Amino acid sequence: AQSVTQPDIHITVSEGASLELRCNYSYGATPYLFWYVQSPGQGLQLLLKYFSGDTLVQGIKGFEAEFKRSQSSFNLRKPSVHWSDAAEYFCAVGAKNSGGSNYKLTFGKGTLLTVNP
Amino acid sequence: DAGVTQSPTHLIKTRGQHVTLRCSPISGHKSVSWYQQVLGQGPQFIFQYYEKEERGRGNFPDRFSARQFPNYSSELNVNALLLGDSALYLCASSLAGTAISYEQYFGPGTRLTVT
Repeated sequence: AQSVTQPDIHITVSEGASLELRCNYSYGATPYLFWYVQSPGQGLQLLLKYFSGDTLVQGIKGFEAEFKRSQSSFNLRKPSVHWSDAAEYFCAVGAKNSGGSNYKLTFGKGTLLTVNP
Repeated sequence: DAGVTQSPTHLIKTRGQHVTLRCSPISGHKSVSWYQQVLGQGPQFIFQYYEKEERGRGNFPDRFSARQFPNYSSELNVNALLLGDSALYLCASSLAGTAISYEQYFGPGTRLTVT
């Protein structure tokens, strides 16, 4: 069964500093990987996704992520954090439902990002 | 275009009661998935429906059930509520569920509190 680990529960960075959020996955087949962001009281918004090809993917809001198969990782990065980036970030792996052809998302527990002025 | 809508926004129920949560997908989307997000955790998959048929079920007890209507909207029902059912329930819609490339769009969720 697939699983996602986000080792950092809470990260605090200063505005303008760089950011890296870690994500490790476990999945037997080719992984389909996602990063979502959730602001308080809101649903999840997709930041970026990796299906195949170039291992460095660009997303919205200036985020990027790098897929490293050898390390089973898909870390999220941003060169310069803005105060509006404060939110909770979830890494997810897409996998087929057991016995079916449809897909579901398996999420990590999330990393809460605090941005100091 | 309107995004995924869910109702109600908040709900307070007593242990043992029944609850129905509703979701309207984005126009044209035929697949709806339900997720439970307990405080401090990531969302957990409950159900997926596509073309009004159940196409996947997560590790949840039979107290949880769902259905999808001809207009592709969906209901999640939970019977005999337990305190542990308190969570944010998220609905996600996609064009189809048969390819991972069909992005799932999430609604704002329904916050259920069981007392």
